[in-house]
Amino acid sequence: AQSVTQPDIHITVSEGASLELRCNYSYGATPYLFWYVQSPGQGLQLLLKYFSGDTLVQGIKGFEAEFKRSQSSFNLRKPSVHWSDAAEYFCAVGEGMDSSYKLIFGSGTRLLVRP
Amino acid sequence: DGGITQSPKYLFRKEGQNVTLSCEQNLNHDAMYWYRQDPGQGLRLIYYSQIVNDFQKGDIAEGYSVSREKKESFPLTVTSAQKNPTAFYLCASSIGRGRIGTEAFFGQGTRLTVV
Repeated sequence: AQSVTQPDIHITVSEGASLELRCNYSYGATPYLFWYVQSPGQGLQLLLKYFSGDTLVQGIKGFEAEFKRSQSSFNLRKPSVHWSDAAEYFCAVGEGMDSSYKLIFGSGTRLLVRP
Repeated sequence: DGGITQSPKYLFRKEGQNVTLSCEQNLNHDAMYWYRQDPGQGLRLIYYSQIVNDFQKGDIAEGYSVSREKKESFPLTVTSAQKNPTAFYLCASSIGRGRIGTEAFFGQGTRLTVV
């Protein structure tokens, strides 16, 4: 079974600073990778996804992520953080074939933004 | 508006009672999922269904039951056998139909508290 690791439980950055959230996944022949964001008490919103092709993926709200097969990583980045980016971020991997396909999530990283 | 509707938003249960959480989608998606979220543990998969009248256990199915009698609906019953049911429950759907690699769309969640 595939798994997802987000090594940072909390990250604090100053507003305007750059951000990188780490995500590592276990081996998969063709990883389907996702980043979601969750505001408190809300559902999850998709930021971006990677299936194949260009390893640098652009998403909504100015986020991007880079797939690095050699490092089994799919880190999320943003060049300049806004106070509204404070939320919890989840990395996920799609696992299984056809009727067994499902998304497996990491434990999340909570982003705090310093004024 | 197309989307996923979970109800109720807040639910209180006495110990020993069964409760049912509702999840309805009008996205014409074949696949539906139930996740449980606890602080620091990310999202854990309870049950999922790729097609009507069929569903599969996820990682933490014990103490839960589901049905999938209609494409639009995937209710989750938390039974008295679930020893620690207090959590935030998220329902999601995806296109399915054997198309792997697709993302999931989430409802706004139901917070269940045992009193």
